Amino acid sequence: GAVVSQHPSRVICKSGTSVKIECRSLDFQATTMFWYRQFPKKSLMLMATSNEGSKATYEQGVEKDKFLINHASLTLSTLTVTSAHPEDSSFYICSARDRGQGYGYTFGSGTRLTVV
Amino acid sequence: GDSVTQMEGPVTLSEEAFLTINCTYTATGYPSLFWYVQYPGEGLQLLLKATKADDKGSNKGFEATYRKETTSFHLEKGSVQVSDSAVYFCALSDPGNTGKLIFGQGTTLQVKP
Repeated sequence: GAVVSQHPSRVICKSGTSVKIECRSLDFQATTMFWYRQFPKKSLMLMATSNEGSKATYEQGVEKDKFLINHASLTLSTLTVTSAHPEDSSFYICSARDRGQGYGYTFGSGTRLTVV
Repeated sequence: GDSVTQMEGPVTLSEEAFLTINCTYTATGYPSLFWYVQYPGEGLQLLLKATKADDKGSNKGFEATYRKETTSFHLEKGSVQVSDSAVYFCALSDPGNTGKLIFGQGTTLQVKP
């Protein structure tokens, strides 16, 4: 079945630095990828939708300049948390739609970001 | 706007008990409905889905029926196992076909031996 690989699974960074999270569709082309943020014991909050070759569409309240999303190819989207602060610590999950399987959704395994 | 409401957890059951996790939705169109499961420290896995009214999704002993008249998609399993302990999310796909998934708040299930 469709597989989405998300890396890294865990990352610890210092305040003020930037962190890049990768999301790859391994065996299908993803026309659209989604980035979610999950707070402890909370639901998933959609941050942005990215379409290959175009700018990401951010949800209301999400800082575009802080959470940079790039979807350069049909198999790769990246989320860069710029100038990270402790409040950015969270679990980030990507999802990709598989054009070849009726646009089903496949999720990555998530990235636990801790900013110290 | 569109939304999903799940019953609050945590739900604690003994092994082999019957499980129901309620889910209701609000949508202006005709969304597809999903149940996802999340094990600790992991991403989400699709458990089952239904794409139109009266469809029943099923997988691994779990079932849910798309009820348009009650705008519900309750998750059921006849006999839970310890390995079913996880967080369960009900979700709908944006009927506007933007591709967005709208999630409920999640329900934690804990099954005790």
